[in-house]
Amino acid sequence: DTAVSQTPKYLVTQMGNDKSIKCEQNLGHDTMYWYKQDSKKFLKIMFSYNNKELIINETVPNRFSPKSPDKAHLNLHINSLELGDSAVYFCASSRGRSSYNEQFFGPGTRLTVL
Amino acid sequence: ILNVEQSPQSLHVQEGDSTNFTCSFPSSNFYALHWYRWETAKSPEALFVMTLNGDEKKKGRISATLNTKEGYSYLYIKGSQPEDSATYLCAPTIRSDKLIFGTGTRLQVFP
Repeated sequence: DTAVSQTPKYLVTQMGNDKSIKCEQNLGHDTMYWYKQDSKKFLKIMFSYNNKELIINETVPNRFSPKSPDKAHLNLHINSLELGDSAVYFCASSRGRSSYNEQFFGPGTRLTVL
Repeated sequence: ILNVEQSPQSLHVQEGDSTNFTCSFPSSNFYALHWYRWETAKSPEALFVMTLNGDEKKKGRISATLNTKEGYSYLYIKGSQPEDSATYLCAPTIRSDKLIFGTGTRLQVFP
């Protein structure tokens, strides 16, 4: 059973399009995250939700909008895609919002903007 | 901005060698430090979460120590095996709910 799953795994799209990446966890965790792996291979936090409430919102363009319909899902919608959005996006979850909790990562979504 | 440094950036060792790498971070406002193992084409997997100065954790042949006063953590691998080949990430926290990842140490173990 996959603990944290993301769809799609690969996404190739044209500049200017709007796309969504979905994330689901079946661990019963309260907290979910979106990370971006940048060109230098850093994993950088973008957003975090705890029980459907936004708790971390880093400095990302407002073209990126997370949505959490329930605590098992955290989707990432990106409007007006730009070349610089090309990256691997990882979803993660943890039992709670405290940094004492280990995070469980999904397999990643490789987004390529042409 | 929290400056997290991991060294070395990459490491090549022979099977059976023991190895260690370092994670350095500012010691102020410390909450916790995470170590993750990230194999190529897979997702990062948690190894340890450490919180107290002097903490030592062990999982099989892998162990880690933490010094929060001077701001560093060591990860040790005893008797490296080819399956240990991966990137090892550390992630200290600057507040109670946010991890800041280093760039990692890429370990390659040759048979």
